[in-house]
Amino acid sequence: GNSVTQMEGPVTLSEEAFLTINCTYTATGYPSLFWYVQYPGEGLQLLLKATKADDKGSNKGFEATYRKETTSFHLEKGSVQVSDSAVYFCALSDPGTYKYIFGTGTRLKVLA
Amino acid sequence: DVKVTQSSRYLVKRTGEKVFLECVQDMDHENMFWYRQDPGLGLRLIYFSYDVKMKEKGDIPEGYSVSREKKERFSLILESASTNQTSMYLCASRSKTGLNQPQHFGDGTRLSIL
Repeated sequence: GNSVTQMEGPVTLSEEAFLTINCTYTATGYPSLFWYVQYPGEGLQLLLKATKADDKGSNKGFEATYRKETTSFHLEKGSVQVSDSAVYFCALSDPGTYKYIFGTGTRLKVLA
Repeated sequence: DVKVTQSSRYLVKRTGEKVFLECVQDMDHENMFWYRQDPGLGLRLIYFSYDVKMKEKGDIPEGYSVSREKKERFSLILESASTNQTSMYLCASRSKTGLNQPQHFGDGTRLSIL
């Protein structure tokens, strides 16, 4: 079945460091891919999305490119801030159903 | 902006109680979802509803039921609460216009069963 695998956390970085959080997926058909962010004590917020191969989603300095050949959707940011500390979830929409499949989340800690 | 509102941020109940978690969305979305979130397990789908009075089991429906009598409201019911249902519960909604639409989440209800 469809699945999403993302890197284990926590990831700890210094402010202004480069961030990569890996996400790979398995899916039949052509899913849409999403990154969500969850700040402490809150629900998930959509960070960015991509709906087809080679699409690049971007928001707030974060980027991810839908790579069908490597079945990946890695999240990147050139210079992280303390305020980026949160849990990041990779997800795909199952094209055959109403369901979404979420990864287990990666906690990011950014130190001043 | 889409607003998904969950009725309680924190809730403490006792084993064996019947528990109701309420969720309301204000964007006329057809699809609504209930998840639970546990450390190391990510989000797991309990139930979803693709329209009023329509529902379908997710991956972990045991011990739960749902109600969707109006389009904007989706309720999760714990028939007889047990300690293993202590968790964070997240409600989400989505327009059915294109399956590529993102889900919009509420802030969650942290439920403790004693």
